Amino acid sequence: QKEVEQDPGPLSVPEGAIVSLNCTYSNSAFQYFMWYRQYSRKGPELLMYTYSSGNKEDGRFTAQVDKSSKYISLFIRDSQPSDSATYLCAMSANAGGTSYGKLTFGQGTILTVHP
Amino acid sequence: DADVTQTPRNRITKTGKRIMLECSQTKGHDRMYWYRQDPGLGLRLIYYSFDVKDINKGEISDGYSVSRQAQAKFSLSLESAIPNQTALYFCATSASVAGGSDTQYFGPGTRLTVL
Repeated sequence: QKEVEQDPGPLSVPEGAIVSLNCTYSNSAFQYFMWYRQYSRKGPELLMYTYSSGNKEDGRFTAQVDKSSKYISLFIRDSQPSDSATYLCAMSANAGGTSYGKLTFGQGTILTVHP
Repeated sequence: DADVTQTPRNRITKTGKRIMLECSQTKGHDRMYWYRQDPGLGLRLIYYSFDVKDINKGEISDGYSVSRQAQAKFSLSLESAIPNQTALYFCATSASVAGGSDTQYFGPGTRLTVL
């Protein structure tokens, strides 16, 4: 079993839809949770970052972390064609752990938003 | 100018050849990483370096070696390339943050094809 599982999709939605992207994980040491966005032929770029459980909102994007369920989500409201990309979740353990500094990534979900 | 640069951007080589991929960064970060990305497998860590004198194997280091020539430069070598090393390779950097997570910043990637 992989430490981080992410549905690879692909996911295709109409413009304006609400998109939900999800990851589950098995390592209870993970404390830091990130979402990266990767456009075609580009490197991943950090989109959202959260620490421990809770919600974080940034414009049309909301990241949720439920540590009790080992489940994280990224919601995109009013999706736009420019949101079409691969979305990767990533997580790391707290400071002092042997895996500190190393990110574990999900497989990535390919999202297409069509006009 | 890009903060993390990779050269070359594309490379086609033959089985058995030695290949070096280079990464430079102007972010002033002390930590650097090499990943490979394969469809359906996400990003997998090859090697990471927390400073010039500290180099560590990642989850898939076999067949690869690295050199940290300076804080800003980290190169990845394939001593004898084989076809299953065909992949997209990313360099990333991060700053060590006491008590916090390493947010990683990625280069644009090198697409390597081994025939």
